[in-house]
Amino acid sequence: NAGVTQTPKFRILKIGQSMTLQCTQDMNHNYMYWYRQDPGMGLKLIYYSVGAGITDKGEVPNGYNVSRSTTEDFPLRLELAAPSQTSVYFCASSPTSGRATYNEQFFGPGTRLTVL
Amino acid sequence: AQSVTQLDSQVPVFEEAPVELRCNYSSSVSVYLFWYVQYPNQGLQLLLKYLSGSTLVKGINGFEAEFNKSQTSFHLRKPSVHISDTAEYFCAVSDRATDKLIFGTGTRLQVFP
Repeated sequence: NAGVTQTPKFRILKIGQSMTLQCTQDMNHNYMYWYRQDPGMGLKLIYYSVGAGITDKGEVPNGYNVSRSTTEDFPLRLELAAPSQTSVYFCASSPTSGRATYNEQFFGPGTRLTVL
Repeated sequence: AQSVTQLDSQVPVFEEAPVELRCNYSSSVSVYLFWYVQYPNQGLQLLLKYLSGSTLVKGINGFEAEFNKSQTSFHLRKPSVHISDTAEYFCAVSDRATDKLIFGTGTRLQVFP
C-alpha cells in the first residue's frame, strides 16, 4: 500500500492564481481530512469528509473548496491564492470504527505552498 | 472547546539522556489523547494513543506517555534518546463535541551527540 499520497510536493503561486492540491489514499478509509501547518501554530483543520459525496468545513475553511467524488480522492482547491495561504498542507485519512477520534489518522507527506 | 498546550517549543538533549515532552489539555471530561511525530520533510505518524484503561501507554520507538486526569496532562517520555529521535512532536486531544482532533503547537526535540 502506498498509504496517503499528495501532489505536488512544492508549488509557488502568484497572488490570484488558482490550483488544486491532490490527495489519494489506497486504504479504503472513509474519513479524510485537510490540514494546514503554519510555523509554531500546529495543525489547523480546513475541511473534512466522512465519505464519498459528503464534506464539511473545519476550523479554517475560508479561501478553500473540496470535493469527494470517490472514496480514494479528496482534492483541495484554492481559487484565488493569497499570501496568507502560504503554508504546508497535509492530507490525512482514517478508518471508520465508532467515533472518528478513536482512530489513528494516516498522513501524507505534505505539499509546501508559497504564494507571492 | 478543547485546547492543547505544549509548554516547550524546543527541547535540546544529549544522546542517551532521558527526555520528557509536556502536554496539557483543557477539559477534565473524558478525552482521547494522542502523540504524533513528524520527521523532517515528512507527514505525521502516530506514536501512541490513550483511549481508556491503563494510564501508562507504550508506543513505538521506546516512547511512553502517562495520562493524568487530575493534572489534565499527557506527558511523553523516553528513558534514553537517540539521534534519530530528532523530530517535531505533536500532542492531540479529541474534541468530543465535534469528534475532531485538536493539535498542540508542537515541540521540537533536538538530540545532540
